[in-house]
Amino acid sequence: AQSVTQLDSQVPVFEEAPVELRCNYSSSVSVYLFWYVQYPNQGLQLLLKYLSGSTLVKGINGFEAEFNKSQTSFHLRKPSVHISDTAEYFCAVSAVNQAGTALIFGKGTTLSVSS
Amino acid sequence: EPEVTQTPSHQVTQMGQEVILRCVPISNHLYFYWYRQILGQKVEFLVSFYNNEISEKSEIFDDQFSVERPDGSNFTLKIRSTKLEDSAMYFCASSRVGVNQPQHFGDGTRLSIL
Repeated sequence: AQSVTQLDSQVPVFEEAPVELRCNYSSSVSVYLFWYVQYPNQGLQLLLKYLSGSTLVKGINGFEAEFNKSQTSFHLRKPSVHISDTAEYFCAVSAVNQAGTALIFGKGTTLSVSS
Repeated sequence: EPEVTQTPSHQVTQMGQEVILRCVPISNHLYFYWYRQILGQKVEFLVSFYNNEISEKSEIFDDQFSVERPDGSNFTLKIRSTKLEDSAMYFCASSRVGVNQPQHFGDGTRLSIL
């Protein structure tokens, strides 16, 4: 079984500041890792994913995340945020080599960007 | 870019009534999923569906729930006798065949049980 912990429920930040949203996971099997973003009244949009290879993955909208196997973490970062980045961010995992398997989500982090 | 579409966007139903939530997955996707998000809580997996049968389900997906692909484009979630605790946002997702294919989500249906 897998579980995901997002350590911060809310992250307030000023525009153009850097941000890090933290995610830790627990799993008895190897996992793929994902970050999804949810803007108000919209569905979940994939920001980026780690499947294998380089531990630093780049996604849309200038976001990147780093997989750290020893710390079982997959923190999301952006060097300079915009007002438009205000949204709910979800970290998720799924078991490797199982097509159609469930995504296990964290509780989400609300990123609030103000001017 | 193709999208997963869900209807209706908001459904209000009396407790004990049956409700059907509808989804049109992306056309070349063959895996379909339902998730729910109770207000203030995490997104939870309900069920996945492939080749006209359930491939995986969670303990939440009990006998009051069922899924169906009634035609070549729709994928539905039926809740037979709704309870107050079924009030949630329900998300449909789809993905291509393959072990590392990402799931694409619809905008959700907000289900309110009165």
